[in-house]
Amino acid sequence: QVQLVQSGAEVKKPGASVKVSCKASGYIFTSYGISWVRQAPGQGLEWMGWISAYNGNTNYAQKLQGRVTMTTDTSTSTAYMELRSLRSDDTAVYYCARDEYYWGQGTLVTVSS
Amino acid sequence: DIQMTQSPSSLSASVGDRVTITCRASQSISSYLNWFQQKPGKAPDLLIYAASSLQSGVPSRFSGSGSGTDFALTISSLQPEDFATYYCQQTYSTLWTFGQGTKVEIK
Repeated sequence: QVQLVQSGAEVKKPGASVKVSCKASGYIFTSYGISWVRQAPGQGLEWMGWISAYNGNTNYAQKLQGRVTMTTDTSTSTAYMELRSLRSDDTAVYYCARDEYYWGQGTLVTVSS
Repeated sequence: DIQMTQSPSSLSASVGDRVTITCRASQSISSYLNWFQQKPGKAPDLLIYAASSLQSGVPSRFSGSGSGTDFALTISSLQPEDFATYYCQQTYSTLWTFGQGTKVEIK
């Protein structure tokens, strides 16, 4: 069965970077892209971007351009999302999703001094 | 970007009530509209895909309708486990966008 398993919770200081992983199984990794969605505490869902696992093409949300990088490692069927220059308002649960059907369990990233 | 306007932002209802949540897209998205249920501390769960198709395992009291720009999620008879937050999502564009959410609370 399709599964997306994300890395564990992170606590970072303002200005630092975080890299969240999303390991896929149960399907051909390079046949789909991976989207990243985040949810700040008590807030709604915000799309961050998408990466093709086939060729690495990316499409990022404009507000995150320059701070976010999405990559994949096809040898391990793992997608990564790196966010730099972290601010307190980046505190959120970060989700990866293959499509509307399959989501990871979420990774809490807390940014605090 | 395609904007998704969801209403209401919250509602209070009783067990057994019929509940309808609406979602409007800023441009036509055909039937590329999904509905999710989210409970505290959990990832969103897909209820309805392609505007009106019931995801496997989802109770039949949930239904979706609409196409183009106007969509609705209906719960025919609200059950205790349905108290949650609901989101619409468009996947017409690879730049996904979500409605603001509707919190369904117990009256």
